Amino acid sequence: QLVLTQSPSASASLGASVKLTCTLSSGHSSYAIAWHQQQPEKGPRYLMKLNSDGSHSKGDGIPDRFSGSSSGAERYLTISSLQSEDEADYYCQTWGTGIHVFGTGTKVTVL
Amino acid sequence: EVQLVESGGGLVKPGGSLRLSCAASGFTFSSYSMNWVRQAPGKGLEWVSSISSSSSYIYYADSVKGRFTISRDNAKNSLYLQMNSLRAEDTAVYYCARVAEAARPAFDYWGQGTLVTVSS
Repeated sequence: QLVLTQSPSASASLGASVKLTCTLSSGHSSYAIAWHQQQPEKGPRYLMKLNSDGSHSKGDGIPDRFSGSSSGAERYLTISSLQSEDEADYYCQTWGTGIHVFGTGTKVTVL
Repeated sequence: EVQLVESGGGLVKPGGSLRLSCAASGFTFSSYSMNWVRQAPGKGLEWVSSISSSSSYIYYADSVKGRFTISRDNAKNSLYLQMNSLRAEDTAVYYCARVAEAARPAFDYWGQGTLVTVSS
């Protein structure tokens, strides 16, 4: 079964960095994912598509502070130079034939 | 500028029906696959349904199969979700989302959502 696992929360200080993890279920370690950001009371915003080799393609206007990387079944989103507007929920997404799956989301708090 | 604007949400009784619409602009709607995704209050994102650019391929989540119908009108740049036999657990904000061209099948643009409340 295709499942994405995310930690419920993460926090870091203003100007620091935070690294979020999205883990693919067993047997799906080669899958690409996408990262989305959802600020409070807003619709989600696409950040990037992240491949198993770490290559990624960002959405329009996404700052360089957002970067992605991969290792095995884990997909990472690193946010550098944290700003107050980065306080949001972050979801990973993957897909199979005729199905899309989202992780449970990680809430990022900027201290 | 790509824009997706959902409408049609509201309060409906259990067992009732509702039709959601998503008006698209700023891109060639007929060239893109589209999706509906929902988010129950205080919960995460749940994919609901997908439709290909020419409506040739349609998929549903098991939770809505047999009750919801996705469709599109490329001449009107619009996506629809017909929801029948609604249940309390269908209460959610419903978003339409576009499948990326360069990063398919990730979703690269989302609407702001429309709230559906199923309650007696």
